[in-house]
Amino acid sequence: DAGVTQSPTHLIKTRGQQVTLRCSPKSGHDTVSWYQQALGQGPQFIFQYYEEEERQRGNFPDRFSGHQFPNYSSELNVNALLLGDSALYLCASSFGSTHYGYTFGSGTRLTVV
Amino acid sequence: QQQVKQSPQSLIVQKGGISIINCAYENTAFDYFPWYQQFPGKGPALLIAIRPDVSEKKEGRFTISFNKSAKQFSLHIMDSQPGDSATYFCAASVPSGTYKYIFGTGTRLKVLA
Repeated sequence: DAGVTQSPTHLIKTRGQQVTLRCSPKSGHDTVSWYQQALGQGPQFIFQYYEEEERQRGNFPDRFSGHQFPNYSSELNVNALLLGDSALYLCASSFGSTHYGYTFGSGTRLTVV
Repeated sequence: QQQVKQSPQSLIVQKGGISIINCAYENTAFDYFPWYQQFPGKGPALLIAIRPDVSEKKEGRFTISFNKSAKQFSLHIMDSQPGDSATYFCAASVPSGTYKYIFGTGTRLKVLA
């Protein structure tokens, strides 16, 4: 049973560019949450998608946007990249309104130069 | 109010010893407190979790102690092993229905052989 799959694993982008990160949730999960983990810090909640809608958003600017597809997979888009956007981006999947099985992927390491 | 404060930042323990990591919070509405283990290059993995109506939970070598009145909780790793060397994060769930987690800043544990 595959867990949460994220792609790509590593990415280097230039300031001002746009990036799209992808996440496939664990089988049976329908909710996807995105977190940003800066080096040496704990993950910070970006937003969560359920039933193809953004359900809640953390303290991140509108440059961060997302999407959830009918198969529950999700994308995180970041526009106008800043050096400070360099981080590990983690996707977590879960089933509905429950803590049960809240599972993280291995993340995408984004470096902005 | 939405912060979770974690200490120590780093910890070195001899093999067979007890590792203790502490967290404190302010928001009494938090309703779920998981601990995550993260190895380099990997996403956080759930170790053990507790709800505020329970004072202690034990799973194998891992124990959470929860002090509701002091708004503190801690992770105890008994008989620490070199394979336990990782970064540990405490977290708290915001009771908003979205199961958004607020993470501590992490504790880097090194267990000496």
